[in-house]
Amino acid sequence: DGGITQSPKYLFRKEGQNVTLSCEQNLNHDAMYWYRQDPGQGLRLIYYSQIVNDFQKGDIAEGYSVSREKKESFPLTVTSAQKNPTAFYLCASSPQRGGHEQFFGPGTRLTVL
Amino acid sequence: KQEVTQIPAALSVPEGENLVLNCSFTDSAIYNLQWFRQDPGKGLTSLLLIQSSQREQTSGRLNASLDKSSGRSTLYIAASQPGDSATYLCAVDAGTALIFGKGTTLSVSS
Repeated sequence: DGGITQSPKYLFRKEGQNVTLSCEQNLNHDAMYWYRQDPGQGLRLIYYSQIVNDFQKGDIAEGYSVSREKKESFPLTVTSAQKNPTAFYLCASSPQRGGHEQFFGPGTRLTVL
Repeated sequence: KQEVTQIPAALSVPEGENLVLNCSFTDSAIYNLQWFRQDPGKGLTSLLLIQSSQREQTSGRLNASLDKSSGRSTLYIAASQPGDSATYLCAVDAGTALIFGKGTTLSVSS
């Protein structure tokens, strides 16, 4: 069953903690993306990766970090430097960057305690 | 800078009505435009993808049009059903990643 999986579904973070959100795809897509969604807002791009071992900052990258060591995996770390991390995080992938349909995972809801 | 606007922000209709959701964008240099559906607390489901060279796409009761020159797209839903209740998002692909509107929340009453 092809698709994108994200885990965990819900995540709670204490002040000062780093947390990592998982994103895995078995669609054999080269490009992967992380978006953040806040209530009443459109999705905003955090980071994207066109290929293994490459990634680029999006519009709101401050306080986040990523890695792309494997084609199928693109984990996102929310660091303590991110001052307002409570949000819904969505991972997506596409065959390549630019001009291709993007497919989304089910999301992770992060709450700061 | 590309900006995407969706009007209205919310819409309530009785079951069976045909309806139109609007999306506008400021820069016509796009690869494509996608319409998504999002149910509360869930991820995005792709509904329709219109390439920049196309004028419209159809899937079942859904029809999306694209007018690049005027920076507009519409999503037409025929014979609406309560199960169509959700937030509908449009997004344009300008090459880096998708740029989203804030969505239209649709409520269809039985």
